[in-house]
Parts: sequence; C-alpha cells; structure tokens
Amino acid sequence: DTGVSQDPRHKITKRGQNVTFRCDPISEHNRLYWYRQTLGQGPEFLTYFQNEAQLEKSRLLSDRFSAERPKGSFSTLEIQRTEQGDSAMYLCASAQGADSPLHFGNGTRLTVT
Amino acid sequence: QQPVQSPQAVILREGEDAVINCSSSKALYSVHWYRQKHGEAPVFLMILLKGGEQKGHEKISASFNEKKQQSSLYLTASQLSYSGTYFCGTRRSGNTGKLIFGQGTTLQVKP
Repeated sequence: DTGVSQDPRHKITKRGQNVTFRCDPISEHNRLYWYRQTLGQGPEFLTYFQNEAQLEKSRLLSDRFSAERPKGSFSTLEIQRTEQGDSAMYLCASAQGADSPLHFGNGTRLTVT
Repeated sequence: QQPVQSPQAVILREGEDAVINCSSSKALYSVHWYRQKHGEAPVFLMILLKGGEQKGHEKISASFNEKKQQSSLYLTASQLSYSGTYFCGTRRSGNTGKLIFGQGTTLQVKP
C-alpha cells in the first residue's frame, strides 16, 4: 500500500489558462473521489468514479471542470479557462467500496493569479 | 445537502472530554468521521452504518441516531495529538456513494 499520490503538489497559473492534475489511487481501490477544499472549509465534493465510470458530478461544477479515469486506474482533473475563484486545494481520495474508508492524497494546491 | 457540525470550535485541556455532533436533514445510510491536521490530508477515524455496524479505530467512540439523522463523536481523556479539525461525511440513503462533508469542528488540546 503506497498510498494515494497526487501530482503536482503545487500549481501556479495565470487566469484563463488550462490546468490538469493527476491522481494515482491505491491499486486495489475501485472508487476514486475528487474534492476541493478552501481554507477553513470542509472538502467540497466534485465528482467520483467507480472503476472507469463517472457516477456523479457536482451540480455546482461548471462545464470548465472535467475528470477522467481511463481503464479504472489513475484519474485526471482538468480545469479550463481558470478563474481566481478556482484557487484551492484539490484533494483526491480512493476507497474499496461505497462504505469503506477514504484514503486521501496530499492534494494539489492551485493558485490562480 | 451539507451536514451541519457543532460546535465550530472547542478548546480543551489534556485529559478532558469532548463531543462533536453532526446532523443532516436528509435520511442517511452512513456517517464517516475524519481528522485533518494543519497542512495535511484528512485521515479516517470511523464509519457508522445504518443498522448499527461500525468500522474504525478501537480507541474512537461514536454513535449514529438513525431516527434523528445525527451522529456524535466522543473524544475522551483528550491528548495533545487529538488537536486538529474533525469532519463528518454523510452518505444519503439511496445514493450509491457520494460523500458530503460538513464544515468541520476545530479542536485544540492544551497542556
């Protein structure tokens, strides 16, 4: 169990640019979640996958956000035309089933200037 | 819909007890509890399922009142290492797995 890894750890980008983050879950976990967290707040749900299928996407998310999990392994989260309000910590977590513990990665901190 | 946690913050002395509550207006199937220390990722503490099953650390105590859609986390004989922000995450009945987190309760344990 090598844990959930996320890349990059930090990303600074200019407003209007596109960014992509990667998450490598624990290998035997079939569920993968993306959350966004700002200072002093709880993790905000973005989307989750079971294997390669995206089961739900937050209605709060605009069309600028998209996520994929090809072949049910790693996942990518892309934000197009970034805005300053997108600045946050983006957390990935994986789990072995619907009511199994979530194992979080250390996150990618995005700063949009 | 986001669960509501109370209190928002707690300050304790080592050895004192605390209770953190989590409530939802929707019927829940499960409640998760996580602790996050500053600059770190959330770490799993416990899962409570409808019907009474629990999964988690032996030293952590929690309850789930299915009628009231409320869960409580009991921290007894607190230690300095208990400091951090505690989040509950709830899964609604009928939902396949989306976990929604509350706004958090910050716990500070002083010597």
